[in-house]
Amino acid sequence: AQSVTQLDSHVSVSEGTPVLLRCNYSSSYSPSLFWYVQHPNKGLQLLLKYTSAATLVKGINGFEAEFKKSETSFHLTKPSAHMSDAAEYFCVVRGRFSNYQLIWGAGTKLIIKP
Amino acid sequence: NAGVTQTPKFRVLKTGQSMTLLCAQDMNHEYMYWYRQDPGMGLRLIHYSVGEGTTAKGEVPDGYNVSRLKKQNFLLGLESAAPSQTSVYFCASSYGLNEQFFGPGTRLTVL
Repeated sequence: AQSVTQLDSHVSVSEGTPVLLRCNYSSSYSPSLFWYVQHPNKGLQLLLKYTSAATLVKGINGFEAEFKKSETSFHLTKPSAHMSDAAEYFCVVRGRFSNYQLIWGAGTKLIIKP
Repeated sequence: NAGVTQTPKFRVLKTGQSMTLLCAQDMNHEYMYWYRQDPGMGLRLIHYSVGEGTTAKGEVPDGYNVSRLKKQNFLLGLESAAPSQTSVYFCASSYGLNEQFFGPGTRLTVL
């Protein structure tokens, strides 16, 4: 069965420094992977998605993620954090046997220090 | 476009009471979904619909029912609420298997 593990429940960085949010997945095939962001008291927004094209995926707001099959990872990065990046981030994989099902990681809360 | 809207935003129920959550989308999407979000966990799919008049069970369907009588609306019902159903409920819609668009959520507390 597929699963997603977000390795950190909280990540704290200073404004202007790089961001790294880690995600590992387990799957016996090449999955579709997504990162979603949830700002406080808001709904969820798609940041970026990987669907077996380029392994380096660029998203909105300067975020990008790299698909590494050998490491079964899909880490999210940003070169320079902004205060507005403070939010919860979810790594998601599409289910294999049901295309409608998205399997969600537990989330990583990103804290930005001024 | 309002996108995906959910009604109500907050609700408190007593154990055994019933209620219906309403989701509406104005993007003409065929697919609609109901999720629940619990602390320390990712979203889990309750039910989904691939078109008007059709519904299917997701990962955690027990205790919930749904209906999709109109393409733009997807209703989630709790017939007899239990404390374990205290959660934040999100509705989403999509055009096929493309990006899912989410509503702002409904925070439900069952006492």
